[in-house]
Amino acid sequence: DGGITQSPKYLFRKEGQNVTLSCEQNLNHDAMYWYRQDPGQGLRLIYYSQIVNDFQKGDIAEGYSVSREKKESFPLTVTSAQKNPTAFYLCASSTGTYYGYTFGSGTRLTVV
Amino acid sequence: GDSVTQMEGPVTLSEEAFLTINCTYTATGYPSLFWYVQYPGEGLQLLLKATKADDKGSNKGFEATYRKETTSFHLEKGSVQVSDSAVYFCALSGGTNTGFQKLVFGTGTRLLVSP
Repeated sequence: DGGITQSPKYLFRKEGQNVTLSCEQNLNHDAMYWYRQDPGQGLRLIYYSQIVNDFQKGDIAEGYSVSREKKESFPLTVTSAQKNPTAFYLCASSTGTYYGYTFGSGTRLTVV
Repeated sequence: GDSVTQMEGPVTLSEEAFLTINCTYTATGYPSLFWYVQYPGEGLQLLLKATKADDKGSNKGFEATYRKETTSFHLEKGSVQVSDSAVYFCALSGGTNTGFQKLVFGTGTRLLVSP
């Protein structure tokens, strides 16, 4: 079945370390997105990509980086510059937002 | 710019009660409208959508009608179950300001249903 896979589901890192969250889709979607969700809060857009080798900053890009070398993959790196990285991270993909997004199941990152 | 406003939660109901979660939007043009549901610890799932005025989206007993005259897309269900307890997000795409590059989400409304 087609879908979008985020791994791992839970991730623990020490403060000051960079960490990369994986997002893979086999839906043949062109666009991919990363969102951050804090407890009891809505979604905030970090980065998005409409096409391979191109991506745009969202509302809270500082302290994060992404790459889009393959259509299927859109990894997110949380760098040590991100002041408060503990959060739930959601990846999504779309064949065109007229149809909405398909979301992954999320990665919960805890930095200690 | 384009925006979505949802009623604040939590909405607390007893099983079999009628549900309404209000959603209004600000956007020019002809946006598409969506409701997503998020169960605890999971990603968001598309619940229903409507792409033009007066369209009614429906799924799993939930309904919402695209009302352009009141810029609203309220979510309703006639009889809620405990399993409907979740956070519900209203969203739009295709407004003149945002275009179809990304969805604009509301802040979410938590629904708690007790037996």
